[in-house]
Amino acid sequence: NAGVTQTPKFQVLKTGQSMTLQCAQDMNHNSMYWYRQDPGMGLRLIYYSASEGTTDKGEVPNGYNVSRLNKREFSLRLESAAPSQTSVYFCASTAPLRGDYEQYFGPGTRLTVT
Amino acid sequence: GENVEQHPSTLSVQEGDSAVIKCTYSDSASNYFPWYKQELGKGPQLIIDIRSNVGEKKDQRIAVTLNKTAKHFSLHITETQPEDSAVYFCAASKHNDMRFGAGTRLTVKP
Repeated sequence: NAGVTQTPKFQVLKTGQSMTLQCAQDMNHNSMYWYRQDPGMGLRLIYYSASEGTTDKGEVPNGYNVSRLNKREFSLRLESAAPSQTSVYFCASTAPLRGDYEQYFGPGTRLTVT
Repeated sequence: GENVEQHPSTLSVQEGDSAVIKCTYSDSASNYFPWYKQELGKGPQLIIDIRSNVGEKKDQRIAVTLNKTAKHFSLHITETQPEDSAVYFCAASKHNDMRFGAGTRLTVKP
């Protein structure tokens, strides 16, 4: 199993550009999450999807949209990137319905907005 | 919402010594408390977790304690080794909402 995969690994955007971060998991997990990690602030939840077909806002959703494309894939979209969105983005998945609360993280996408 | 505070932000120990990292949380409804280790350039990886109905859990050199009344939990690493050097995060979770502490950078000096 590849676990959780994310693309791209690195991205540089200009202010106002848009992009979509892709995430996929092959562990048959129901729940998927997007976090951002900034220095000194730990990880903050942007959006999550408890199951296929549902999405909910997390702690810092402004400026982002998500799509749970199917059970495997959960994408994060920045419609108009801002320098404040410079961060490392992590996708995670878990299987709470199976009693497995561990969140498995992908390797991250390092995004710079100039 | 839940607020998780983690201390210290940096910790340096000699190889073989013990390391303790402490976290407090604010929401008494939180019921799952994991600890993650993050190495440079990688995603966080779970090292140990504890549910709210348990006070202590141990896995070889790593242990976690939970005090629900005081709303704090701690990570204990004994006989530290250089490969324990990393950033450690605590988290508190209820349902699908997991909140993380700001992290502790642990350095184990040989």
